[in-house]
Amino acid sequence: AQSVTQLDSQVPVFEEAPVELRCNYSSSVSVYLFWYVQYPNQGLQLLLKYLSGSTLVKGINGFEAEFNKSQTSFHLRKPSVHISDTAEYFCAVSPSMDTGRRALTFGSGTRLQVQP
Amino acid sequence: DAGITQSPRHKVTETGTPVTLRCHQTENHRYMYWYRQDPGHGLRLIHYSYGVKDTDKGEVSDGYSVSRSKTEDFLLTLESATSSQTSVYFCAISAGRDTGELFFGEGSRLTVL
Repeated sequence: AQSVTQLDSQVPVFEEAPVELRCNYSSSVSVYLFWYVQYPNQGLQLLLKYLSGSTLVKGINGFEAEFNKSQTSFHLRKPSVHISDTAEYFCAVSPSMDTGRRALTFGSGTRLQVQP
Repeated sequence: DAGITQSPRHKVTETGTPVTLRCHQTENHRYMYWYRQDPGHGLRLIHYSYGVKDTDKGEVSDGYSVSRSKTEDFLLTLESATSSQTSVYFCAISAGRDTGELFFGEGSRLTVL
């Protein structure tokens, strides 16, 4: 089984400042890793994903994340945030081997609040 | 747009009444999922389906049942709704063959009074 921990439930930041949203996972097998974003009253949209290869993954809207296997982390970063980045961000994992279920296990979410 | 439609989008009901939420996809994907979203818990898997009439339980399946009689439709039923089932329910489909990536619907907000 897999689990995901997002240590920060809320992250306030000023516009144009850098931000890092933390994600740690636990798994006995190799995993794929994902970050999703949810804008108010909407569904979840994929920001980026790590499947294999380069540990630095670039996604949409200027976000990137780095996979660190030794620390079992997949932190999300953006060098300069905009007001429009205000949303809830979810880290998720799935086993890389096809178990037949293919479901994602999500963290509890981090609410990013960008202030002018 | 992943071609996923959830209905109803909003529903208010009373404790003890049955409720059915519908998820309809136009992508002909084999795998479909129901999650619930609650503050502080993220999204938790209720049930999933890997084909017509093939379904299985997720982590929070108590009080819920599902059915899938057609590839395009995945129904979630609360036989007797309780206040603890007040939540936002999301349907998802599996996007990639072996990547685990999911596409989500817009959600159905259910309030049980």
